[in-house]
Parts: sequence; C-alpha cells; structure tokens
Amino acid sequence: KNEVEQSPQNLTAQEGEFITINCSYSVGISALHWLQQHPGGGIVSLFMLSSGKKKHGRLIATINIQEKHSSLHITASHPRDSAVYICAVPARNSGGSNYKLTFGKGTLLTVNP
Amino acid sequence: DTAVSQTPKYLVTQMGNDKSIKCEQNLGHDTMYWYKQDSKKFLKIMFSYNNKELIINETVPNRFSPKSPDKAHLNLHINSLELGDSAVYFCASSHGPKLLFGPGTRLTVL
Repeated sequence: KNEVEQSPQNLTAQEGEFITINCSYSVGISALHWLQQHPGGGIVSLFMLSSGKKKHGRLIATINIQEKHSSLHITASHPRDSAVYICAVPARNSGGSNYKLTFGKGTLLTVNP
Repeated sequence: DTAVSQTPKYLVTQMGNDKSIKCEQNLGHDTMYWYKQDSKKFLKIMFSYNNKELIINETVPNRFSPKSPDKAHLNLHINSLELGDSAVYFCASSHGPKLLFGPGTRLTVL
C-alpha cells in the first residue's frame, strides 16, 4: 500500500501570501495528482505530474521522485483559493493505472481577505 | 457543455432499499471511475472501467455493482443499503493526463 501524508492539515493565510502544501508518499510512483475540492463539494484535478514542475496560473506543483515528495504552491493567494487540496498517488498494485489512486487526507486552506 | 454528470445529486433512502446512481460523460474518455468520499472527507476508489470492461475493483461489498452499458456511461447500483453506505459518491472519467470528476451524489441512508 502506498501511504500518502499531507501537511499541514489546516492552513490559514492572509490574502496575498505565498502558500505551500506538502505531500510525501512511501512507494515509488509514475505520477502524482493534485486535486482541489471546493467548499461546495466539487473536485477539480489541478495537476498530474511525474517529474519536475508544472505551472498553471498562480498554482505551481513540483515533485522530487527520489525524495518521494511533492509540493503545491499558490502565489498571491486569494480568498477564492480557499478549498481542500488533496494529493493522490497510484496505489502499489495499480497495474500501471495512474488513476487507481490512494489519496491523502487533504489540506484545508482558508485565505482571509 | 463537455462534462461528467451524475444523477441524482442527493439521494435519501431507508436501510435495506436498492438504489442506483447514474453517470454520463460526453468527453469521449475511455476510462470511468467511481470514488467514495466518507464522512471524514476521505476519498477512496471503488471501481474503474475501461472501454466498458472492469479493470479496477477494490475491496467493495458485492452489494455494489457497477454497470457500463457503453463507454459514456457508468452506473452504480447498490443493493440492501446500510447506514455505513452514507457518503458522497463521485464519478470521474479520464483520458491521458486529464481526470474529470462529476459533481457527486450525496447518499444518506436512514
């Protein structure tokens, strides 16, 4: 089983701050996902990455395969970024599927105006 | 709109009943999934179908039976509902690096 640990569990920031959410996993993987779950419940896939770094707008995701660690950064945070951010990796017996996922418990981010 | 849709959005039912949740995607994706999010907001995969064939079947009670009539649909039928089945069920579909989730179905078993 691939264990996924996220930190912090809860994060409160002021608008404009730089945010970092961390994810560590226990078994080597082919790809890692970052998801965003809005307060209303909808889930959006932000990134799937297997190496290096990806950027989309104010969101940046990095992964270090050797250290089994990924970070999600949000620059110039805004109240609309308030959501739960979830890291997910393929399960150990995923048979090559990038979507038989083991999920972290999520990080609840609150950005205050 | 291209999307993954689920019906119903809310489902309240009595213990012991049988119910279905429907999922449709109009994205042309080959692979569809059911995920369960429990009361602690923890997500877990239940099933995955690729081109109408079951490829992932996690340790889920056999009261849960997925059915894929075609590539665009993956329905979830649940027999003899139990209190512990109360959760939010998310359908999703994928193609390459793209993974899209449906809006979720909140199932409450009384």
